[in-house]
Amino acid sequence: DGGITQSPKYLFRKEGQNVTLSCEQNLNHDAMYWYRQDPGQGLRLIYYSQIVNDFQKGDIAEGYSVSREKKESFPLTVTSAQKNPTAFYLCASREKGANYGYTFGSGTRLTVV
Amino acid sequence: AQSVSQHNHHVILSEAASLELGCNYSYGGTVNLFWYVQYPGQHLQLLLKYFSGDPLVKGIKGFEAEFIKSKFSFNLRKPSVQWSDTAEYFCAVNGNNRLAFGKGNQVVVIP
Repeated sequence: DGGITQSPKYLFRKEGQNVTLSCEQNLNHDAMYWYRQDPGQGLRLIYYSQIVNDFQKGDIAEGYSVSREKKESFPLTVTSAQKNPTAFYLCASREKGANYGYTFGSGTRLTVV
Repeated sequence: AQSVSQHNHHVILSEAASLELGCNYSYGGTVNLFWYVQYPGQHLQLLLKYFSGDPLVKGIKGFEAEFIKSKFSFNLRKPSVQWSDTAEYFCAVNGNNRLAFGKGNQVVVIP
């Protein structure tokens, strides 16, 4: 079945360490997105990519970095510069063009201690 | 960039009551509109979506939403809720290849 795989489901890191969250899709979608979910804040867009080797900052990009070397992969690095990294992170993808919905992964819960 | 407003973050109601959740957005171009639901401990699920055509859209589990272009609104409704509708509901607007979410409505249905 086609879908988005985010791994791991739970991740713990010490403060000051960079950590990379994985997002892989086998839907052949062109666009991929990273969101952060916090209680009472909804989902906020961190970074997105419309095509390989190109990406744009979302609303809360500070302290994060991404790469898009392959169509199916869009890893997110949470750097030590992110002041409040503990959150639930969701990856999504979408086919290019109008009238297409978004497919979401199951998320990674990152806890920084 | 577009923005989405959802009011009344916490909603508590009894079974069989009617539910209406408001969603207002700001965006000048053509939009696609979505309502997502997240049940406790579960993943985000699509309830319904509007792309074009009939502004009254029906989704899963008896939910429906009405797009009113003049009011920039896409309100969600369900005539009679069940305990199993306890969840968080998010309105989202796609514009310029970005999907923006509201802050969500936490709905608790009391048996």
